[in-house]
Amino acid sequence: NAGVTQTPKFRVLKTGQSMTLLCAQDMNHEYMYWYRQDPGMGLRLIHYSVGEGTTAKGEVPDGYNVSRLKKQNFLLGLESAAPSQTSVYFCASRDGQDNQPQHFGDGTRLSIL
Amino acid sequence: GEDVEQSLFLSVREGDSSVINCTYTDSSSTYLYWYKQEPGAGLQLLTYIFSNMDMKQDQRLTVLLNKKDKHLSLRIADTQTGDSAIYFCAESRFSSSASKIIFGSGTRLSIRP
Repeated sequence: NAGVTQTPKFRVLKTGQSMTLLCAQDMNHEYMYWYRQDPGMGLRLIHYSVGEGTTAKGEVPDGYNVSRLKKQNFLLGLESAAPSQTSVYFCASRDGQDNQPQHFGDGTRLSIL
Repeated sequence: GEDVEQSLFLSVREGDSSVINCTYTDSSSTYLYWYKQEPGAGLQLLTYIFSNMDMKQDQRLTVLLNKKDKHLSLRIADTQTGDSAIYFCAESRFSSSASKIIFGSGTRLSIRP
């Protein structure tokens, strides 16, 4: 009954360091998404994927890269972390049929010093 | 999320009804969603409504849709302390590559005794 699992849950980085956030879903969903959540700004879409091997830019893609090598996993990478990337990151997935709701992970809280 | 608007805060007395309002802009949206986010957790889908419906009721939750005014509301009857959370309104929107879900900034519901 895992659903969408994000790892790690917390991380503190220094400016310039790199890291990868992992999202895994066990629902065989086609679509996967990465969002960031900042106070008073709701959720902003970073990148998304409509299937294995495909990715697309969202609303705020700069400074991030993603990969979807396997259907169940969607990785979010920060090549050179900046303080502006301090945020809570949420992964979501949904079935490929139109208008199916998104299922969310519990988030990764990332602080960049 | 600026195309989906919500007020940021709502305070209600325990036992009263809560009404959370949302406006959206895309008349082609077909599904509209309400998500609940509790502290430290991801977004949990509460309910959704198809755009050809005016109302949907699910236990203590009632969703009203005024498509003409692009106004969506969520009413929580007999509000309890466990209803304290941030509530996000979201609309589905089609693009050339995939349907996307656009979120509002969230309404923080607080319950007073």
